[in-house]
Amino acid sequence: GAVVSQHPSWVICKSGTSVKIECRSLDFQATTMFWYRQFPKQSLMLMATSNEGSKATYEQGVEKDKFLINHASLTLSTLTVTSAHPEDSSFYICSARDWEGSRSSYNEQFFGPGTRLTVL
Amino acid sequence: AQSVTQLGSHVSVSEGALVLLRCNYSSSVPPYLFWYVQYPNQGLQLLLKYTSAATLVKGINGFEAEFKKSETSFHLTKPSAHMSDAAEYFCAVGGDSSYKLIFGSGTRLLVRP
Repeated sequence: GAVVSQHPSWVICKSGTSVKIECRSLDFQATTMFWYRQFPKQSLMLMATSNEGSKATYEQGVEKDKFLINHASLTLSTLTVTSAHPEDSSFYICSARDWEGSRSSYNEQFFGPGTRLTVL
Repeated sequence: AQSVTQLGSHVSVSEGALVLLRCNYSSSVPPYLFWYVQYPNQGLQLLLKYTSAATLVKGINGFEAEFKKSETSFHLTKPSAHMSDAAEYFCAVGGDSSYKLIFGSGTRLLVRP
């Protein structure tokens, strides 16, 4: 149980175009989803926290107009990289927190397999 | 505020040797602590978690970690390394009301034949 999928697994796009990445919880409902960015040989940096039906909360330094996050249902969150540029190339990972979770669920997050974005 | 420090960006061991990956944390609330493993171009897989119950936590693939409050540590160990253990390992802390996880910088484990 607790499977999270991401689509696509990799994408190559031209500079200036927009790219949408989907994150789905397959066998549970996720009140909260998180989006991370990981540069090569580096750790995961939290970009934003996405709650179903409300606006995402972005971490300091993350451009909300560039990285659009939508969490329209309890099983789907999307990250759209708008007007992508080469410096946006990275590995994007989402995670999800169980709907029935509370602090007693130990803040556990279930991670997707990641999406490799390359902007030419 | 919470933070995690992983000592050693790279750890190299021989196959069959003890694995020790270090993690120290800082937290203003009782922490929940996690170890994740990441293989190349993949997401994160949970190895084990500390949830304020037993201080010695056993995880998958023979890994275990001990929570030591006095040392603010949560080091990951495995008695005998296997080639398949070669990967990137991340320690993370959570436990505040934001439900966020704060990750350490990661340790790359190399296993020599």
